[in-house]
Amino acid sequence: EAEVAQSPRYKITEKSQAVAFWCDPISGHATLYWYRQILGQGPELLVQFQDESVVDDSQLPKDRFSAERLKGVDSTLKIQPAELGDSAMYLCASSDPLGGPYNEQFFGPGTRLTVL
Amino acid sequence: GDSVTQMEGPVTLSEEAFLTINCTYTATGYPSLFWYVQYPGEGLQLLLKATKADDKGSNKGFEATYRKETTSFHLEKGSVQVSDSAVYFCALTILAGKSTFGDGTTLTVKP
Repeated sequence: EAEVAQSPRYKITEKSQAVAFWCDPISGHATLYWYRQILGQGPELLVQFQDESVVDDSQLPKDRFSAERLKGVDSTLKIQPAELGDSAMYLCASSDPLGGPYNEQFFGPGTRLTVL
Repeated sequence: GDSVTQMEGPVTLSEEAFLTINCTYTATGYPSLFWYVQYPGEGLQLLLKATKADDKGSNKGFEATYRKETTSFHLEKGSVQVSDSAVYFCALTILAGKSTFGDGTTLTVKP
């Protein structure tokens, strides 16, 4: 069964350091999402890609966060410099836009980031 | 803006008890509604969905009915099992796949 892959699963870093997360969506899924999930809360959309183009990054803190999906397949989310408040689970999801306008999103296992 | 409100948890039930987790929403437009489940250390999995008013989504014994008049999508299960212990998220999607999630409800089922 096809799955969304993410790495690393866990990351511990010190504040002011740079971190990067990687996501490989389900093959053929043109839409890719990055979410941040703070403990005890629901996922919050950071950025949405359609192929290699950004569709929505209105909630992405652009002074320190960046995301790219250069070839329209896998994607990288970067934080530089990391701050204590960035400690959270970072979830990647993908969907097939041909599945309809309200298509299901498939989530990866997430990357748990701890900033010390 | 769009929002989803879930009943606060945690919810603790005995095995075979009846489960209800309330979810109400506010949306501009006509959303599709979803319930996702998250097991410890894992990502979210779609549990069920409904795309229009009066639709009933169902899966693994869970059900939820899209009620436009009350803007609700309450999750129910007639007899819970220990394996149902997880965090449940209600979500809505309006356009282009953008979703808004509730804060989640933690369910613990005791033997």
